[in-house]
Amino acid sequence: GNSVTQMEGPVTLSEEAFLTINCTYTATGYPSLFWYVQYPGEGLQLLLKATKADDKGSNKGFEATYRKETTSFHLEKGSVQVSDSAVYFCALTHGSGNTGKLIFGQGTTLQVKP
Amino acid sequence: NAGVMQNPRHLVRRRGQEARLRCSPMKGHSHVYWYRQLPEEGLKFMVYLQKENIIDESGMPKERFSAEFPKEGPSILRIQQVVRGDSAAYFCASSVGQDGYTFGSGTRLTVV
Repeated sequence: GNSVTQMEGPVTLSEEAFLTINCTYTATGYPSLFWYVQYPGEGLQLLLKATKADDKGSNKGFEATYRKETTSFHLEKGSVQVSDSAVYFCALTHGSGNTGKLIFGQGTTLQVKP
Repeated sequence: NAGVMQNPRHLVRRRGQEARLRCSPMKGHSHVYWYRQLPEEGLKFMVYLQKENIIDESGMPKERFSAEFPKEGPSILRIQQVVRGDSAAYFCASSVGQDGYTFGSGTRLTVV
């Protein structure tokens, strides 16, 4: 079946460090891929998305490229800030027969220290 | 334009009671999704509804859980005879079509 696997956290970085959070997926068809961010006590916010192979999603300094050959959608940021501390979720929607429901990875907690 | 409104934010129920969670989608959104987030886990899809119709309930437990999205008013997720394992955060999301979700802030259910 379809699934998303993320690197385990927590990831602890110093401010201005480079961030990578790995995400790989298994899916039939051609899924769309997403990164969501969840701040403490809040709901999920869409961070970025990509809908086809080789697309790059970007927002607020974060980037991720849809790599069909490696079934990956790794999240990167060149210089993290304390305010980036949150839980990050990689997700996909089914390809064929899509009803729009999202399949999420287990989440990766990022802690950025000043 | 208010976002997706969920209430209550926090709900405490004793074992065996009923829990009713409400979700008011964004104005103009006719698609509602419910997800459950267990502690230290990702979100798991529960049910997808359009006005007055359940489109996909493949993630709903077979017993005690039900959902509705009436023609007027919010979508309701109902859990009967709650057990400790139902303690979780329940998130609602709405959309115009099957893309472009907006999530609510969630209802955190604690069963004591």
